[in-house]
Formats: sequence, structure tokens, C-alpha cells
Amino acid sequence: EAQVTQNPRYLITVTGKKLTVTCSQNMNHEYMSWYRQDPGLGLRQIYYSMNVEVTDKGDVPEGYKVSRKEKRNFPLILESPSPNQTSLYFCASSINGGDYGYTFGSGTRLTVV
Amino acid sequence: QKEVEQNSGPLSVPEGAIASLNCTYSDRVSQSFFWYRQYSGKSPELIMSIYSNGDKEDGRFTAQLNKASQYVSLLIRDSQPSDSATYLCAVKGGGSYIPTFGRGTSLIVHP
Repeated sequence: EAQVTQNPRYLITVTGKKLTVTCSQNMNHEYMSWYRQDPGLGLRQIYYSMNVEVTDKGDVPEGYKVSRKEKRNFPLILESPSPNQTSLYFCASSINGGDYGYTFGSGTRLTVV
Repeated sequence: QKEVEQNSGPLSVPEGAIASLNCTYSDRVSQSFFWYRQYSGKSPELIMSIYSNGDKEDGRFTAQLNKASQYVSLLIRDSQPSDSATYLCAVKGGGSYIPTFGRGTSLIVHP
């Protein structure tokens, strides 16, 4: 089944404790992206990657890191999480630069206390 | 700043009626337009894409695009309670890797 897999689905952590949210797609998509979704603010792009070793900032990159060492994987790293990063996170992938829309992962609900 | 505007709703329609969801965008060079459906607590799911002026139909869904007015809409015919969800409009410019999402319209279909 073609899909984008995120882990974990739920995560509660403490301020300052480094964490990684994994994302993997099995569709051979070049383009991958991370979004956060907050009530009243909608979906906001954090980082995106056009291919292996090519990444760029989205609208809200502060406090996040990403890497794209393999085509299928695009982990999101929070090196020092803060409570304002409490949010619902989605990974998405597309066959190209998104001209045909995106496939989203199931989401990761992160709470930073 | 590229903007995509949607009425947050909720839009409430009776079962069997036509639901009309609207979206306006600010970037005149936008080329790709999408509608996503998002159930509460779930991820967005692509339901329609449209690239040229006019109507595009897929089952009970019709997307309408008017580039001159910078307006895109989604019609849902014979609305069902299972259509109750938030509908996100997304707009992408040619050559841009960053789509802009609207904040979504909540649709409630009541029996």
C-alpha cells in the first residue's frame, strides 16, 4: 500500500529533551515536507526537501532541523523542544514539486511540557 | 505574502443538499489548486485538483476555478453525514515548492 508513515503518533516530552519524529514514504517520491497544524492557524510548512541532500526552509523553520540522506526518509529533529512547539505535525510527500497534490502521513501529536 | 482565504464556518447543510465551499487566493500566478478533506484528528486527504478555468467533476464533487476572479470552489452534491469534515483549499504557483493552505472550512451535514 502506498503510504507515508510517521512515528510516533503521540509523544509527550519535557522542555529541552532532544527528539526525532520519523517519516518514511514508499512511493519513490522526490519531494517531502513537514507541516505543523495549530488551531486557528491552519497548516504551516516547516521544511521541505526536493530530493536527497536538498532541503530548504518553509514558513516556520525556527527550532527545527531536518535531513534527507535517503530518498524515502525525512526525519524532523527538535534539538531543544519548547512548549510553543506543542502541535500536530504532518509529513507529506509528492511525486514532484507538488503539482499533483500531496500524500500526508497520519500525524504526530507532540506535547512539550 | 501569498494568502488563501476560506470562511471557517461551520457550514451546516441538511443531508441530500448541495454544500458549497469557497476559497479566494491572492497570488495571480497560481497554477495548481487543490481541495483536501480532513476529518477531526486525522490527516488531510486530497479529494480534488484543478488546473484550468471551469468545472471539474469527480463523482459527487465538483471543483470550480475562476482565475480572473482568483476564486476556487468545491461543490458537494447529495451531501452525506460522512462528508462532515474540514475542507482545506491549497494553492500552488508554478515553479514554487511551497503551497499555501487556507485555514479550512468546517462542514456539518445533519440528517
